[in-house]
Parts: sequence; C-alpha cells; structure tokens
Amino acid sequence: QKEVEQNSGPLSVPEGAIASLNCTYSDRGSQSFFWYRQYSGKSPELIMSIYSNGDKEDGRFTAQLNKASQYVSLLIRDSQPSDSATYLCAVEGSYGNNRLAFGKGNQVVVIP
Amino acid sequence: GEEVAQTPKHLVRGEGQKAKLYCAPIKGHSYVFWYQQVLKNEFKFLISFQNENVFDETGMPKERFSAKCLPNSPCSLEIQATKLEDSAVYFCASSQANTEAFFGQGTRLTVV
Repeated sequence: QKEVEQNSGPLSVPEGAIASLNCTYSDRGSQSFFWYRQYSGKSPELIMSIYSNGDKEDGRFTAQLNKASQYVSLLIRDSQPSDSATYLCAVEGSYGNNRLAFGKGNQVVVIP
Repeated sequence: GEEVAQTPKHLVRGEGQKAKLYCAPIKGHSYVFWYQQVLKNEFKFLISFQNENVFDETGMPKERFSAKCLPNSPCSLEIQATKLEDSAVYFCASSQANTEAFFGQGTRLTVV
C-alpha cells in the first residue's frame, strides 16, 4: 500500500466552478498534512497546511482533514485558469523525522 | 536568504561521471531535505539534515549518493558514477522544526 494516494487522471473544471481533490494516507499516526501546487517545470509551492480534524479555509482554498478515515481533501472555489497545475498531497509521517511522503499528484485544468 | 537557492539549474553528465548539486536553505531553517522527482510526479525522499547532522538517510541509495551540510557552506548532494536512471529533478527543501517545508527551484540532472 502506498503511503499517500491521490486519484489518478486529470481533472477538468470550467472557470468559476469548484475543483475537488482527494488524498488518502496509510500512516494512522500522521499529524501534518500539506497541499502543494506545482506548475509544469517549476518547484512545489505550499498552498495549504492542516494539522487537526475539520476544515481550514484560506481565500479560495479549503482543506479538509478526517484522521479517522485517513483522508484529506482540497477544494478550490471559483477556479481560475491560473489554478491549472498539478496539486500534490504531502503527509508527514509519525516517525518524527519531518520528511514528507507525496502522492502522485492531481493535474487540474481550468477551462476558460 | 528568503528562499531556498539551488544551483545549478541544469546539469548534464555522461554516464559514469560525477554530479554535484548545491542548496542554500532559508536563513534560520535548521532542517534541509533532498527529494528526487522523476516522471509522473513521483517524489522520492533521499535524505534530511538537522543543521549539519544527518537526520534521516533512509531514502539514500548508499552506493553512489552522498550528501553534506557543512557550517557556512551550501549543502551538497553528490552522485558518483551517474547512471541513466539518475536523470531527474532534484529538489532541496528547508524548514524550521515541525513546520512547513519550502522548496527550491530544483536542479534538472540529465545523464546521457
């Protein structure tokens, strides 16, 4: 079982719609969860971090965490063409060494 | 500095040659991480440092890869006798203790 799993396949959304991304993780003791955005050929850029169950909102982004289900999601409201990128779910495991395990990423394409 | 600085941006090596990559973490960050990103966005953790000490090297291929973080010098990742499969983008990230990691722009290594 992979440490972090994200849905495969690109996600196409019309401009102004909501993009929903999901991620599951295997280490039940994980405490820190991150969403990174990566434009093609660029480095990952941190857009959200979440540490406790529930929702966390930052502008048009909302992260949701459910530790019981080992599930973390990202919602992008009012999607813009500039949101077109790959979104990487990253989880810091319970081993206490701060390293991140990444999912494969979800490509989001916002259609004007 | 205010961002993680990686050099060089691109590196081309013939099979069997040595490759050396450099990373200057954000000032005040005590943790440095190296990740390898191959095709399809697969991120692989290589090694982390806490200041100049190796913190976690569980991801390092021991035979040809080595890394250092010395005081007052950029951190480095060295690959001896490169192989075709070492072709990837190598990202360095830094963080303070138990906080978000910020990534450098990466070094694209091409082994021909």
